[in-house]
Amino acid sequence: AQTVTQSQPEMSVQEAETVTLSCTYDTSESDYYLFWYKQPPSRQMILVIRQEAYKQQNATENRFSVNFQKAAKSFSLKISDSQLGDAAMYFCAYTQGWASGSRLTFGEGTQLTVNP
Amino acid sequence: DAGVIQSPRHEVTEMGQEVTLRCKPISGHDYLFWYRQTMMRGLELLIYFNNNVPIDDSGMPEDRFSAKMPNASFSTLKIQPSEPRDSAVYFCASRTSGTKNEQFFGPGTRLTVL
Repeated sequence: AQTVTQSQPEMSVQEAETVTLSCTYDTSESDYYLFWYKQPPSRQMILVIRQEAYKQQNATENRFSVNFQKAAKSFSLKISDSQLGDAAMYFCAYTQGWASGSRLTFGEGTQLTVNP
Repeated sequence: DAGVIQSPRHEVTEMGQEVTLRCKPISGHDYLFWYRQTMMRGLELLIYFNNNVPIDDSGMPEDRFSAKMPNASFSTLKIQPSEPRDSAVYFCASRTSGTKNEQFFGPGTRLTVL
């Protein structure tokens, strides 16, 4: 079974600084997708960024980028120029690529605090 | 475009009562997922549908839980009878077939069973 681990229950960063959230996963599959979701206090799950396993290039979305290390099964999220609105719970998630309806397996989450 | 719609947003009920949670997926999406979020277990999949047919219900905790999808635009998750340990946030998500594998989540229903 696939597992996703986030070893940092809490992180904090100063506004305008950069922070990196860690995620590792375990799978025997070669085709899969990885995601970072953001959950603010409103509890809405918001997709931040997506990475296809077959792509070597790291995904970027504005201030958000990932460091995808397939051999190490590591998928970290870097937030640059942190803003107060970035404060939220962040979840790393995995899904298999071979079955379109495959479930998302989530990590435990990392609570990010942004200090002004 | 409207996103995934869930109702109610909050539900408070007493132990033993029947609870029905509702979801309207994004138009054109052919997959629908029900997730539950608790402090103890995090986010976990309960069941998902493809073209209104249940595909994987292995995450449904027990027979007290049932889910239906009578048409492409509506799904329900029912708990009967409810118990305090069912208190959680229940999310509905939908997606299309294809390569992106992205699921779009509704706002969730916070259920409290007293």
